[in-house]
Amino acid sequence: DIQMTQSPSSLSASVGDRVTITCRASQNITTYLNWYHQKPGKAPKLLIYAASSLQSGVPSRFSGSGSGTDFTLTISSLQPEDFATYYCQQISSIPFTFGPGTKVDIK
Amino acid sequence: QVQLQESGPGLVKPSQTLSLTCTVSGGSISSGRYYWSWIRQPAGKGLEWIGRIFTSGSTNYHPSLRSRVTMSVDTSKNQFSLKLSSVTAADTAVYYCARTIQRIVSSHYYYVMDVWGQGTTVTVSS
Repeated sequence: DIQMTQSPSSLSASVGDRVTITCRASQNITTYLNWYHQKPGKAPKLLIYAASSLQSGVPSRFSGSGSGTDFTLTISSLQPEDFATYYCQQISSIPFTFGPGTKVDIK
Repeated sequence: QVQLQESGPGLVKPSQTLSLTCTVSGGSISSGRYYWSWIRQPAGKGLEWIGRIFTSGSTNYHPSLRSRVTMSVDTSKNQFSLKLSSVTAADTAVYYCARTIQRIVSSHYYYVMDVWGQGTTVTVSS
C-alpha cells in the first residue's frame, strides 16, 4: 500500500491567514492526488483533484500543487467555514489511501 | 442533483455480518460512468477506503478486507450494498458511501469521490 503522511497534524490560524498543508506519498504518485475537507459530523467534501484542479463550486482561495511524492494544499485567505480537517488521498493505486488528516482550528 | 443515503443496522454482534445499503436518488446508478464506493472512519480517526463497485459488477477491495468484504449493485432499486463478515470491535466506525467518477485532466484519468452520503454509524458489540 502507498502510505500518505501529512504535516502538520494540526494548526491554529486566524480568519484571513494564508494556510499551507503538506502531504507526502511513500512512492511516486505523479499527480494522482485528491484533497478533501471534513467538518465535524459531516461527510468529507472534495476540494482538489489531480493535485491542482479545483472541484466545481469550490472557492478559488483553495489551490493545490505538487507532483511525485510531495504535495501542498493552500488556502489563500482562511474563512470561518474553512475550519475543518483536511485529508489528502492518493488514487494512483488500489487501495486508495488517505493521509491522517490536518485539523485547522481557530486561533 | 444526485444524493446518497446509507441505511442498515446500527449495532452488529461480533462475528456476525455487517450489511449496509446505499440508496442513490436524483440519478441512475447504472449510467455507466460511475463507480460506487464505501469508506469508513472510526470515531476520532482518519478515513479508510474499503472498496468500490462498477455497475457491471466488477469490484476492487482493500487488500486487508478482501477476505471479508462483498459489494453488490441492485440497479432495479438504484442501490448498492456492502457486506462485511466476521466483524470485530475494530470494525466499529462511521460508514460512508460515495459516488466515484473519472475526471480527465491532460488526457489522464483521475478517480474522485464527488458525492457522499451523510454516513451511518455501526457499532460492533455484544
